[in-house]
Amino acid sequence: DSGVTQTPKHLITATGQRVTLRCSPRSGDLSVYWYQQSLDQGLQFLIQYYNGEERAKGNILERFSAQQFPDLHSELNLSSLELGDSALYFCASSPRGGAASPEQYFGPGTRLTVT
Amino acid sequence: QKEVEQDPGPLSVPEGAIVSLNCTYSNSAFQYFMWYRQYSRKGPELLMYTYSSGNKEDGRFTAQVDKSSKYISLFIRDSQPSDSATYLCAMSAGANSKLTFGKGITLSVRP
Repeated sequence: DSGVTQTPKHLITATGQRVTLRCSPRSGDLSVYWYQQSLDQGLQFLIQYYNGEERAKGNILERFSAQQFPDLHSELNLSSLELGDSALYFCASSPRGGAASPEQYFGPGTRLTVT
Repeated sequence: QKEVEQDPGPLSVPEGAIVSLNCTYSNSAFQYFMWYRQYSRKGPELLMYTYSSGNKEDGRFTAQVDKSSKYISLFIRDSQPSDSATYLCAMSAGANSKLTFGKGITLSVRP
């Protein structure tokens, strides 16, 4: 158990809908990362938050957005869902910044199925 | 060309074999090199990471990085059926930076 929690475990929804995925980082970790894992693309970085502020963006679609709250939990919002958004969504957290802390610890993921 | 390339596999070996998993990369900015293990329907689990070039050993696992060749390896000695999983290499340009992953290779260790 990495200490990172994600809810829900599974989501089944229809095209055009909007969903919210939730992540709680390990106690004390300030950074939260969101990744998408699909069979054809592998694990792809979406977005990073550090202590409530957006830190870096990857190939995140405009239909997707995220935020990190004062208690450090994060939410990933996916809207106008398409069939191609079906994937596993992982969040990861990492310890305080510094040259000695590159590790990222992953949660169990949310499996999203868009029908 | 993808930033990180990983042998697609799958790979099947008998129990007790030495396993060699490899990745190549193109981005010279990468400084941290990691190996994750992912069991089916689970999140990736960090096995070990290496900073810059060199070797690192942890039990039956050894990670090697050759920055001059842009090549990293993970060796698993005395492989066990419980090692059967997907192994992903990942790299970052700095601490607190995004990870760029290989596509992963599925390893099966036969009893």
